[in-house]
Amino acid sequence: DQQVKQNSPSLSVQEGRISILNCDYTNSMFDYFLWYKKYPAEGPTFLISISSIKDKNEDGRFTVFLNKSAKHLSLHIVPSQPGDSAVYFCAAPHNTDKLIFGTGTRLQVFP
Amino acid sequence: KAGVTQTPRYLIKTRGQQVTLSCSPISGHRSVSWYQQTPGQGLQFLFEYFSETQRNKGNFPGRFSGRQFSNSRSEMNVSTLELGDSALYLCASSLAAGLAGETQYFGPGTRLLVL
Repeated sequence: DQQVKQNSPSLSVQEGRISILNCDYTNSMFDYFLWYKKYPAEGPTFLISISSIKDKNEDGRFTVFLNKSAKHLSLHIVPSQPGDSAVYFCAAPHNTDKLIFGTGTRLQVFP
Repeated sequence: KAGVTQTPRYLIKTRGQQVTLSCSPISGHRSVSWYQQTPGQGLQFLFEYFSETQRNKGNFPGRFSGRQFSNSRSEMNVSTLELGDSALYLCASSLAAGLAGETQYFGPGTRLLVL
């Protein structure tokens, strides 16, 4: 049972435009969500998080939106830069002990 | 401060063999978690160790095992390798147990190929 889902395996966006990465979850007990960025040959690095008491969290070019009723969150990157090309994972802690990850979305930002 | 290190970085084995992967956490971190990353499955939790004790285990067969040493370094072992075990194995460290999230730091992973 995939509790965290990223239905788009890849996304291609032009430099300077907005990138929107989506994530859905099924477990209504999740109350905290994280986005990770992963380059090839490196481990995932934490990017931004959001608590379920909020519906938006912003950090520079990165904004995460949470729609609890729809069990949906999205990561917006504005403006997109070539260095943003990576695989992005959304994740939720399960009982604080482990992270449940989505399958990832590969973002490619082209000039 | 040095990050999480994993050795070896790449490994090729054949079916039926066994393999041991190593993870050295960030200095001072006492919890180590292991994840398996495969295409289409994302990252899946294997187990967490804290103070040399396994605290939590994911839904993997008994062929997957691990341990943690007194210096917090951790090893995971996969016996009787199968083709489907080909994956990137990531470890993550944190100061204490039960801190899954932004206070966890991932290593670069060991890429295992089973032929």
